[in-house]
Amino acid sequence: AQKITQTQPGMFVQEKEAVTLDCTYDTSDPSYGLFWYKQPSSGEMIFLIYQGSYDQQNATEGRYSLNFQKARKSANLVISASQLGDSAMYFCAMRGFYNQGGKLIFGQGTELSVKP
Amino acid sequence: GAVVSQHPSWVICKSGTSVKIECRSLDFQATTMFWYRQFPKQSLMLMATSNEGSKATYEQGVEKDKFLINHASLTLSTLTVTSAHPEDSSFYICSASLGTASSGNTIYFGEGSWLTVV
Repeated sequence: AQKITQTQPGMFVQEKEAVTLDCTYDTSDPSYGLFWYKQPSSGEMIFLIYQGSYDQQNATEGRYSLNFQKARKSANLVISASQLGDSAMYFCAMRGFYNQGGKLIFGQGTELSVKP
Repeated sequence: GAVVSQHPSWVICKSGTSVKIECRSLDFQATTMFWYRQFPKQSLMLMATSNEGSKATYEQGVEKDKFLINHASLTLSTLTVTSAHPEDSSFYICSASLGTASSGNTIYFGEGSWLTVV
């Protein structure tokens, strides 16, 4: 079985500051991928960043970086220089490629509010 | 531009009727499509995995006869909510994948469909 846990229901950050959104996971799959998505109030799922379980380096995409600690089974998202437009729901997700048939499973989500 | 198109974006139906939601991959052939349900302020709950040409695999607790999923071609999967009731009102969203291990992070989401049953 696989499980994704986001323990922060809501987070506040001041504009231009950095914020870390926590994500821990558990899986029996030897090969898996970790994702972060942003979901604004419109409902669309916006892909932010991806980390494969065998990737040696932490993934980065512009202002987004993924702090991947495999031994701790954590995949925290760091957003640098927060902007007002970053206010949204953020979901961590995991995809197990062998035992889980490629299913993408989501965490509970964190609602981020950026203050001006 | 969108590579997965979901239709309709909004639908209101009367209790007891059925409603169909379509999920189309526009630029690629999707071997696997996933259907999710999301209540306000909650996570996306996987309902079923749809593979082209075969029966959908439903997650535990999801009623197969209630939520009919058909993946008739490599570019189209449909979700039909049968005999809809107000408690079926939710946000439904699909995603499409090229495959499993070889495609890694290649998953595309549709825009989602808001269903309201009155």
